[in-house]
Amino acid sequence: ETGVTQTPRHLVMGMTNKKSLKCEQHLGHNAMYWYKQSAKKPLELMFVYSLEERVENNSVPSRFSPECPNSSHLFLHLHTLQPEDSALYLCASSQDSGHTTDTQYFGPGTRLTVL
Amino acid sequence: DQQVKQNSPSLSVQEGRISILNCDYTNSMFDYFLWYKKYPAEGPTFLISISSIKDKNEDGRFTVFLNKSAKHLSLHIVPSQPGDSAVYFCAARSYGGSQGNLIFGKGTKLSVKP
Repeated sequence: ETGVTQTPRHLVMGMTNKKSLKCEQHLGHNAMYWYKQSAKKPLELMFVYSLEERVENNSVPSRFSPECPNSSHLFLHLHTLQPEDSALYLCASSQDSGHTTDTQYFGPGTRLTVL
Repeated sequence: DQQVKQNSPSLSVQEGRISILNCDYTNSMFDYFLWYKKYPAEGPTFLISISSIKDKNEDGRFTVFLNKSAKHLSLHIVPSQPGDSAVYFCAARSYGGSQGNLIFGKGTKLSVKP
């Protein structure tokens, strides 16, 4: 049990749908992250929030829209996705994203399939 | 261009023997390295880390070795157990780099056979 939960665990959506992924951390951390893991590729960082402010956006298409209403919750809003966006989306949290030794703890992920 | 490379996609080891997972990196600015373990249908779990000021860090059956001159690190698991069967990811971060920006390798799938 890592203390980071994600819902839903599986999601199938059409290219015209709008859906949201939810992440919640119960660790009292200040930073939260969204990662994407595509088949046969390394984990790719998408967004970083520190104290509810976005501090990193790694050139992610605008069809992915993050939201961090408080330090415990993180959302990823999805709209007009493409089939190549099918992947495992992982949420993580850490105590303070500014320290080199800061360790990130991951949720179980949402397996997204775009038809 | 991958900055963190795990060149062995898979490794099979007999129970009780040593497992050695390797990781190479290209960015000399990396100064903190982590290993994560991932079971199917679960997220990566933090396993062990090492700072660039050290060359070895040990935690129970897990030891990470860092060779900065070779830009190489390895994870040793001894003795290996069937429950260690998982995908192992190496990750690295540079001091002063983008906040939270861990660079991951593609992972090595370890199978420990009874």
